[in-house]
Amino acid sequence: DGGITQSPKYLFRKEGQNVTLSCEQNLNHDAMYWYRQDPGQGLRLIYYSQIVNDFQKGDIAEGYSVSREKKESFPLTVTSAQKNPTAFYLCASSIGQRTEQYFGPGTRLTVT
Amino acid sequence: AQSVSQHNHHVILSEAASLELGCNYSYGGTVNLFWYVQYPGQHLQLLLKYFSGDPLVKGIKGFEAEFIKSKFSFNLRKPSVQWSDTAEYFCAVTDQGAQKLVFGQGTRLTINP
Repeated sequence: DGGITQSPKYLFRKEGQNVTLSCEQNLNHDAMYWYRQDPGQGLRLIYYSQIVNDFQKGDIAEGYSVSREKKESFPLTVTSAQKNPTAFYLCASSIGQRTEQYFGPGTRLTVT
Repeated sequence: AQSVSQHNHHVILSEAASLELGCNYSYGGTVNLFWYVQYPGQHLQLLLKYFSGDPLVKGIKGFEAEFIKSKFSFNLRKPSVQWSDTAEYFCAVTDQGAQKLVFGQGTRLTINP
């Protein structure tokens, strides 16, 4: 089955710790994205990557970092610098820049 | 910066009622438009999309949307809703020069049986 997998589904961390969220796709898509979803705010773009070894900041990149060493993988690290990290994180991919995006099941991160 | 507005934050309807969810965007050029749906506990999935051509677009599960360029709108409609349509609905827009989608705030739809 083709699709996007995100792991884990739920993640709990203590304040001050970095945490890495996994995103893998087997759709052979070039572009990958990370969004943060908060109630009443829709989806906000954190980072995106159009090609391996290249990525750009989205609207709310502060406190986050990414890498794109393989076409299939686009991990997101939530650093201790992110002031409000508790949220639902969604990964997506698309064939190109302006085509529809396919979403993973999400990771709910809770930082206490 | 481009923005997308969904004016209805929470809509409550009874089964068989007609539905219209509003979506307005700010960009004046050529746009690609999308409606996504997030059913409880499920992935965000595409309902329908508009790239060009007929401004009335039909999607899955009986949904349709109409692109009205003069009003910068892309409202979602369904003539008769079902309990299973309970979900959160997101409008998204990308312009021809952009490299990303911009999402609206979402509308939570509750259908009472």
